[in-house]
Amino acid sequence: EAQVTQNPRYLITVTGKKLTVTCSQNMNHEYMSWYRQDPGLGLRQIYYSMNVEVTDKGDVPEGYKVSRKEKRNFPLILESPSPNQTSLYFCASSSSGQTKETQYFGPGTRLLVL
Amino acid sequence: SQQGEEDPQALSIQEGENATMNCSYKTSINNLQWYRQNSGRGLVHLILIRSNEREKHSGRLRVTLDTSKKSSSLLITASRAADTASYFCAIILSGSARQLTFGSGTQLTVLP
Repeated sequence: EAQVTQNPRYLITVTGKKLTVTCSQNMNHEYMSWYRQDPGLGLRQIYYSMNVEVTDKGDVPEGYKVSRKEKRNFPLILESPSPNQTSLYFCASSSSGQTKETQYFGPGTRLLVL
Repeated sequence: SQQGEEDPQALSIQEGENATMNCSYKTSINNLQWYRQNSGRGLVHLILIRSNEREKHSGRLRVTLDTSKKSSSLLITASRAADTASYFCAIILSGSARQLTFGSGTQLTVLP
């Protein structure tokens, strides 16, 4: 089944404790992206990757890192999480074919930083 | 902000009625997309309309785009309780790669 998976789905952590949220897609998509969703603000892009070893900042990259060593994986790293990073995070991917602008979303990771 | 802005923020209708949601944006776009999100879950792509298109249909969905007014509308006909969800418009700016810029969404509630 074609899908985008994220782990963990739920995470409670404390300020300053490094964490990684994994994202994997099995559709051989070139483009991958991370978003955060906060009430009243919609989805805001954190980072995106056009292909392996190519990453760029989105609208709200501060406090986050990403890497794209393999086509299928695009982990989101919070080196020193802070309470303002409490949010719902979504990973998404899209292909290079005719539907390249259509993005497929993962189920989300709900993060609480105490 | 260049993001799409949906209107209304919340909409409550009876099953069987039509639901109309609007989206406005501020700059030139490559295309505009509508996504649906059930509570706390991932977004699901509904329909994409390109800047040179004016109207598209998909099942009970009808999307219009007016680039002169920089606005789009999503019409859901004969709504069902299962249509209850948040609906987001998202734009890809002209000259942009595949970066989607989302609005804050319309919460649709369809009452049985």
